[in-house]
Amino acid sequence: GAVVSQHPSWVICKSGTSVKIECRSLDFQATTMFWYRQFPKQSLMLMATSNEGSKATYEQGVEKDKFLINHASLTLSTLTVTSAHPEDSSFYICSARDRREKLFFGSGTQLSVL
Amino acid sequence: EDQVTQSPEALRLQEGESSSLNCSYTVSGLRGLFWYRQDPGKGPEFLFTLYSAGEEKEKERLKATLTKKESFLHITAPKPEDSATYLCAVQSNSGGYQKVTFGTGTKLQVIP
Repeated sequence: GAVVSQHPSWVICKSGTSVKIECRSLDFQATTMFWYRQFPKQSLMLMATSNEGSKATYEQGVEKDKFLINHASLTLSTLTVTSAHPEDSSFYICSARDRREKLFFGSGTQLSVL
Repeated sequence: EDQVTQSPEALRLQEGESSSLNCSYTVSGLRGLFWYRQDPGKGPEFLFTLYSAGEEKEKERLKATLTKKESFLHITAPKPEDSATYLCAVQSNSGGYQKVTFGTGTKLQVIP
């Protein structure tokens, strides 16, 4: 079946540095990719929707300059957390939608900012 | 390796015809099982979190139950507006970091 690869699985970084998370659809072309954030004991919060070749659509309250999303190809989207701070520590997960409108999820990235 | 299997892949019901969706899972160190509803063109909408076997939660026409191997989402007297894809996900703690594994969903269509 379709697989979405997300990496890294976990990352620890110093405050002020930037972190890039990759989301790849391995055996299908993803017309749309979604990025989510999950706080402890809470459900996924949609951060942004990205379509290949166009700018991402951010949900209300999500800082565009903080969370940079690039969807340069039909198989790759990246989320860059710029100038990360401890409050950005969270679990980030991506999903990719194929041409049949079916959704596949990555396994998530746990980010810890010291 | 954590696995989540949802069945059926698609389900068509008449309005008022109750049914259940299944989510079978294999995971080490279950931290929680989530049910989501997704409408076309939108991100998943959170429905329930279940943490331990025997736990049940209800919301309007939906009721989620959990055992050590599977979870059911029961839909009682569904209405056309219940038509959506229902996703199940399990959260585990693997090797010191958390991980989420989603099923591929059950597409529900409720016919008036």
